[in-house]
Amino acid sequence: DAGVIQSPRHEVTEMGQEVTLRCKPISGHDYLFWYRQTMMRGLELLIYFNNNVPIDDSGMPEDRFSAKMPNASFSTLKIQPSEPRDSAVYFCASSLMKQPQHFGDGTRLSIL
Amino acid sequence: SQKIEQNSEALNIQEGKTATLTCNYTNYSPAYLQWYRQDPGRGPVFLLLIRENEKEKRKERLKVTFDTTLKQSLFHITASQPADSATYLCALDEDNFNKFYFGSGTKLNVKP
Repeated sequence: DAGVIQSPRHEVTEMGQEVTLRCKPISGHDYLFWYRQTMMRGLELLIYFNNNVPIDDSGMPEDRFSAKMPNASFSTLKIQPSEPRDSAVYFCASSLMKQPQHFGDGTRLSIL
Repeated sequence: SQKIEQNSEALNIQEGKTATLTCNYTNYSPAYLQWYRQDPGRGPVFLLLIRENEKEKRKERLKVTFDTTLKQSLFHITASQPADSATYLCALDEDNFNKFYFGSGTKLNVKP
């Protein structure tokens, strides 16, 4: 039973470059969440989708961040242009309505 | 503003003892509270969920209490083992289980 799959697991890129993080949720789950985790701020919710529709993006730090969910089995989080302060671990999670979330193992992003 | 507090200092205990972790919150009225475990380099893994009308929930060696008057949850691991060493996160819901906020977590070290 495959869990939430994120790619890449690690990404190192230079400031100003576009970064795309990918997520495949668990089949059948109708909610998808993107989080960012840092030592300073802990685990922060960025955006969540229900049935592929963005419901709440109030956690997205600024316009440089965007997220899409073109279908039930795929979502992307894009940062353009990237900055060093975007360095963090980004997690994707999925769930069924009213059920606990299942997390992927994250993408460790380093912006130089 | 809303706030979730978990002890940022690591909790060090001896194998076989009971570990007790605390989650305090302010300016929330959560209907649900969850506890997750996170190992280094991995995403959080769901452990237990407790509803606002439940005082206590148990699962094997784990026990969670939820006091909505004190605005506090306690998470207990009885007969602790070195394999229980990890970071434990509490999460409170907003918007009726559609959105969760996480504490920064407490690192538990169980020494043999």
